[in-house]
Amino acid sequence: QSVLTQPPSVSAAPGQKVTISCSGSSSNIGEKYVSWYQQLSGTAPKLLIYDNNKRPSGIPDRISASKSGTSATLVITGLQTGDEADYFCATWDTNLSASWVFGGGTKLTVL
Amino acid sequence: QVRLQESGPGLVKPSQTLSLTCTVSGGSIISPTDYWAWIRQSAGKGLEWIGRIYSTGSTTHNPSLQGRLTISVDTSKNHFSLTLSSVTAADTGVYYCARGRNYYRAPYNDAFDTWGQGAMVTVSP
Repeated sequence: QSVLTQPPSVSAAPGQKVTISCSGSSSNIGEKYVSWYQQLSGTAPKLLIYDNNKRPSGIPDRISASKSGTSATLVITGLQTGDEADYFCATWDTNLSASWVFGGGTKLTVL
Repeated sequence: QVRLQESGPGLVKPSQTLSLTCTVSGGSIISPTDYWAWIRQSAGKGLEWIGRIYSTGSTTHNPSLQGRLTISVDTSKNHFSLTLSSVTAADTGVYYCARGRNYYRAPYNDAFDTWGQGAMVTVSP
């Protein structure tokens, strides 16, 4: 099981809003910066969010994220069929030694 | 725009050594703040961080792979490499190289902003 906990799957209809949670602990999310990645089927992950809530150039503002305590949340509004993908959260963990950790991933289905 | 490309054998026998190289194009591998990482993904599973290296040669490894893992960098060739020894079927998966970008020079404020397309490696007799 992953250090960061994500729901295995979420679904919503086109145009709707979906939230994906990522739960961790004080040694990772609680004290570090969270990033989020989108992985379309058969492709490499793509950075969606860095520094907890900032979007790289080219990422639309219907994608947003936040962090509170030891949890983080990714929000996608105005869902499109092209959003159907796996989404991963990630951050550093310094529980034993410094190491990147990822969530197990959430499969988003656009109904 | 920086691009990354993994290369190496797609099939490795159990107990042997897996070797991959990531070539950086469109920019220099030398950076005071960014680093270069290896990340893998087993079939149908999530992402696992393997380790990272700075252009200076400084490395950090996933503790679970300590002892089997070597990451090196060749700045003259603008590439970095991964070797993983004593492989088993559990090491089968897609291996990605990625750039770790640091933001605002703040510790742990990093993200993987550029990824290679991935290299499938199968460990099998």
